Amino acid sequence: EVQLVESGGGLVQPGGSLRLSCAASGFTLNNYWMTWVRQTPGKGLEWVANINQDGSRKHYLGSVKGRFTITRDNAKNSLYLQMNSLGAEDTAVYFCARDTGDLGAFDIWGQGTMVTVSS
Amino acid sequence: QAGLTQPPSVSKGLRQTATLTCIGNSNNVGFEGAAWLQQHQGHPPKLLSYRNNNRPSGISERLSASRSGNTASLTITGLQPEDEADYYCSAWDRSLSEWVFGGGTKLTVL
Repeated sequence: EVQLVESGGGLVQPGGSLRLSCAASGFTLNNYWMTWVRQTPGKGLEWVANINQDGSRKHYLGSVKGRFTITRDNAKNSLYLQMNSLGAEDTAVYFCARDTGDLGAFDIWGQGTMVTVSS
Repeated sequence: QAGLTQPPSVSKGLRQTATLTCIGNSNNVGFEGAAWLQQHQGHPPKLLSYRNNNRPSGISERLSASRSGNTASLTITGLQPEDEADYYCSAWDRSLSEWVFGGGTKLTVL
């Protein structure tokens, strides 16, 4: 079964850091761009960052540039998001998703992991 | 983030047809089109349509996507109770080098 499972979310104080992980199974991770998308409770979806197959190309949402870093370990079939200098505006459910490339869509999504930034 | 524009809500009756719209610009929707996602409360999004308007396998033929200029549309015919959900469009924005989403449309089936 093709599956993505996120982990690493939790409660963190403002200014703190958190590292999210996304474990892929049922497909070969290194064939795909991968993406992180977040959703504030009760609100819409917001793209956060993506990374190409070998990790050499990355793009970030403007508001997270310099604070968040997306990486991947294809040997471990895993995707990561290192989040530093967290603020209340980063509170959200974070989803990892598989990018279909030329088909221009995210076709596989994890269940999400909740990140709460609060003192 | 400069997002895509979707109406916040649409209400239609059972077995009727709903058309959801997504307005972008020439750098995103008008450039390569938009994909469509469905999200039920408490669940992750589910892909309904690629940006070329094709459906992934397993997606009902009652759903069809199209594009005209900078506006993408998703039409759902023969509305069923299970179609009640939030619908999002997404597109790559070449000027921002970012993916952008619409704010989502809540579809209510009466």
